[in-house]
Amino acid sequence: GAVVSQHPSRVICKSGTSVKIECRSLDFQATTMFWYRQFPKKSLMLMATSNEGSKATYEQGVEKDKFLINHASLTLSTLTVTSAHPEDSSFYICSARDARDQSQHFGDGTRLSIL
Amino acid sequence: RKEVEQDPGPFNVPEGATVAFNCTYSNSASQSFFWYRQDCRKEPKLLMSVYSSGNEDGRFTAQLNRASQYISLLIRDSKLSDSATYLCVVNPSGGGNKLTFGTGTQLKVEL
Repeated sequence: GAVVSQHPSRVICKSGTSVKIECRSLDFQATTMFWYRQFPKKSLMLMATSNEGSKATYEQGVEKDKFLINHASLTLSTLTVTSAHPEDSSFYICSARDARDQSQHFGDGTRLSIL
Repeated sequence: RKEVEQDPGPFNVPEGATVAFNCTYSNSASQSFFWYRQDCRKEPKLLMSVYSSGNEDGRFTAQLNRASQYISLLIRDSKLSDSATYLCVVNPSGGGNKLTFGTGTQLKVEL
C-alpha cells in the first residue's frame, strides 16, 4: 500500500531553534501534501496545503513566515518551524495525496517538544 | 458552531458490547465523509468512508444522514483492540481534499 515517510519522529530542542520536518511519499507521486498540527486532546488542524512547484496555501491564523513550507519535488515536502518556542510544541502530521486516485495517506507524525 | 462536532467521551464499554458514535457537521454542502481511528500518540488511519446508502465493514457500520447533517459509526461485538479515538472527518464542498477533523471520541473497551 501507499506509504508516507515522515522524519524525524521525535524532536526535543531549545527555544529559538529552527526545526525541519520532512514528508516523503515513497511509492507514489504527490502533487499535493497537507500539514496538520494536533495539540493534546484536540483535533487535527490543517495548517497549510503544499503544492509541488508553487507556494503553499496557509490556513487562517497560521503564520507563513513562522512555518516555512517547501514542496520542491513530487515526493517531498518540508515544514520548517522557525525560531521555535514552547507554544510550538505539538504533534505535526503530514499527509500526501496520491495523484493517481486522490487518496490521502498520512505520515507517522513528528512530536516536537521545545524546552 | 464547530465545523465538525463529536462527543469526546470517553465511552467505557465491556468487551462484546455494541457502541455507537455520532458526529454532526455544519456545512450542508459537504461531499465526503470518513471515520478515522487514531491510537494514542499515533497518526490517524482511515477506518472507513461513509456513503449515503450506509455501509458496513465487518463489525463496523457507518451511516450518513444528510438532512440532519450527522454521521454515525456503530461497532458491534467490541474488542479490546478497538480501544482508540475515533475521528469524524469531513471533506467540505470544493475543499480539494482538504479534510476537516472532529476532536474525536475516545473509546475504551474493558474486560
